[in-house]
Amino acid sequence: EAQVTQNPRYLITVTGKKLTVTCSQNMNHEYMSWYRQDPGLGLRQIYYSMNVEVTDKGDVPEGYKVSRKEKRNFPLILESPSPNQTSLYFCASSPSRGRLDTIYFGEGSWLTVV
Amino acid sequence: AQSVTQLDSQVPVFEEAPVELRCNYSSSVSVYLFWYVQYPNQGLQLLLKYLSGSTLVKGINGFEAEFNKSQTSFHLRKPSVHISDTAEYFCAARNTGGFKTIFGAGTRLFVKA
Repeated sequence: EAQVTQNPRYLITVTGKKLTVTCSQNMNHEYMSWYRQDPGLGLRQIYYSMNVEVTDKGDVPEGYKVSRKEKRNFPLILESPSPNQTSLYFCASSPSRGRLDTIYFGEGSWLTVV
Repeated sequence: AQSVTQLDSQVPVFEEAPVELRCNYSSSVSVYLFWYVQYPNQGLQLLLKYLSGSTLVKGINGFEAEFNKSQTSFHLRKPSVHISDTAEYFCAARNTGGFKTIFGAGTRLFVKA
């Protein structure tokens, strides 16, 4: 079954404690991205990756890092989380650039920073 | 696309009534347009998309949307809603030559018995 898998789904952490949200897709997609969803703001892109070792900032990259060492994995790293990073996070993937018409989303990761 | 505006943050409607969720976009170039649905505690699923051709697009679960280039709109409609349609709906746009998708803020549809 084609899917995008995120972990953890729910996490409460404290300010400053580094954390990583993993994302893995089994569709051999080249394009992957991370979004955060906040009430009234919709989905905002944090980072994206066009392929292995190719990443770039989205609209709200501050406080986040990513890496793309393998095609299937695209972890989101919060080096020093702060309360304003409390949000619902989605990982997504799409086929190659010429077929970016459909985005496949993970089920989301609820992150609370206290 | 530079921006996507969903004109209603919440839409309450009775079961079996028709519904329209409004979406406008701004872009200086041609765009692809999408509607996604998010059920509680789930990720987003594609409802329908407009890439080219007929301006009336039919999607899953009886939804359809009409692309209106002159009004830069892509409103979502369903002639008769069910309780199970209660969800948040996101309109999205992407420039045809680009790879970044811009999402609207979402419209929460409440279907009441």
